[in-house]
Amino acid sequence: RKEVEQDPGPFNVPEGATVAFNCTYSNSASQSFFWYRQDCRKEPKLLMSVYSSGNEDGRFTAQLNRASQYISLLIRDSKLSDSATYLCVVNSLLKGSARQLTFGSGTQLTVLP
Amino acid sequence: GAGVSQSPRYKVAKRGQDVALRCDPISGHVSLFWYQQALGQGPEFLTYFQNEAQLDKSGLPSDRFFAERPEGSVSTLKIQRTQQEDSAVYLCASSLGRGTGNTIYFGEGSWLTVV
Repeated sequence: RKEVEQDPGPFNVPEGATVAFNCTYSNSASQSFFWYRQDCRKEPKLLMSVYSSGNEDGRFTAQLNRASQYISLLIRDSKLSDSATYLCVVNSLLKGSARQLTFGSGTQLTVLP
Repeated sequence: GAGVSQSPRYKVAKRGQDVALRCDPISGHVSLFWYQQALGQGPEFLTYFQNEAQLDKSGLPSDRFFAERPEGSVSTLKIQRTQQEDSAVYLCASSLGRGTGNTIYFGEGSWLTVV
């Protein structure tokens, strides 16, 4: 079983739709959680961190359920520019106390005009 | 430079050829990571440096893979006797410090195709 699992999609939604992505992680000792966005043929970029209390950044809302080891991302009023692959990312400690990011396989989103 | 720089951006290698991929992290960044991303997959951890010390190489898939960062800045990932399964994007990332609160910045990657 992979340490971070996501529904690969693809999700094809019309502009203005609300779409939700889910992710589960297996390492209960994981400490930090993130959503990264990756455009086609580009590098991953941090979209937002995920906090236990839930957090919002504009049209994006992230939720974390530590008991269920579940992370979600909600995108409201989706735009064409939201089309990308969304990567669920979990932090695990490496030697020397630096962060190792463990990535899910990503969920592909296409927003249609 | 302003970001993490990787070269070459694209590399086609014949099976059995050796390749070297270069990463120039953000100036002053202590931590440097290499990841491998196969098509349709998320990045997979390869190795981690703290300054010039390679603290974890547990993700390197075989002894054909070797990474170094001799002066604590530029890093090179070397793949010997390339195989078709080595075809992937190799992503380098760096972060300012050692702690978990530091944001990691990725380069655009080196796209390796082994034919």
